[in-house]
Amino acid sequence: DAKTTQPNSMESNEEEPVHLPCNHSTISGTDYIHWYRQLPSQGPEYVIHGLTSNVNNRMASLAIAEDRKSSTLILHRATLRDAAVYYCILSRPSSGTYKYIFGTGTRLKVLA
Amino acid sequence: IAGITQAPTSQILAAGRRMTLRCTQDMRHNAMYWYRQDLGLGLRLIHYSNTAGTTGKGEVPDGYSVSRANTDDFPLTLASAVPSQTSVYFCASSLGDTQYFGPGTRLTVL
Repeated sequence: DAKTTQPNSMESNEEEPVHLPCNHSTISGTDYIHWYRQLPSQGPEYVIHGLTSNVNNRMASLAIAEDRKSSTLILHRATLRDAAVYYCILSRPSSGTYKYIFGTGTRLKVLA
Repeated sequence: IAGITQAPTSQILAAGRRMTLRCTQDMRHNAMYWYRQDLGLGLRLIHYSNTAGTTGKGEVPDGYSVSRANTDDFPLTLASAVPSQTSVYFCASSLGDTQYFGPGTRLTVL
């Protein structure tokens, strides 16, 4: 199964940009790169996803390396509400659906 | 729109008892999933369903069963609970390749 590697934890100052890295060297051509975040005592929340090109939405930006073996989630201005565990996930089509393989994620701490 | 609802929010259960965790979605998504999350870890897939009437096994299916009688509901049953099934359980549904998660059920088996 496709696996991702992320740092266990990161810190950022409030209102500064945050770059959360993810390595996925075993990615295959049909795997999507998804990012979710999980706030305490809540279910994972979708942040962004992409296949090959960089993506932007109202929450974040996703930068995907040209060889697709790594990606970076960019939060442009971190707020205290962005403190969460961020998961980088590869989703692979399998048996008519897309299987997610979760790693242990990166715990982001935002300092006021 | 509620999205995905799960019930109960939390439960303490004696070992050996039968328990059904409920999951309902109102988004008419074809695919649904059950995950468990143990302390400090990511989510692991228990069972999934591509569409009503079909189910499949995930990474950690032992001790759990599911059914998918209609599009909206996807209950997870523990036939005889054991302490190692103490966990937080998340239900999800998907449209295409993006999954949407419920708020979770915290289950403690004593």
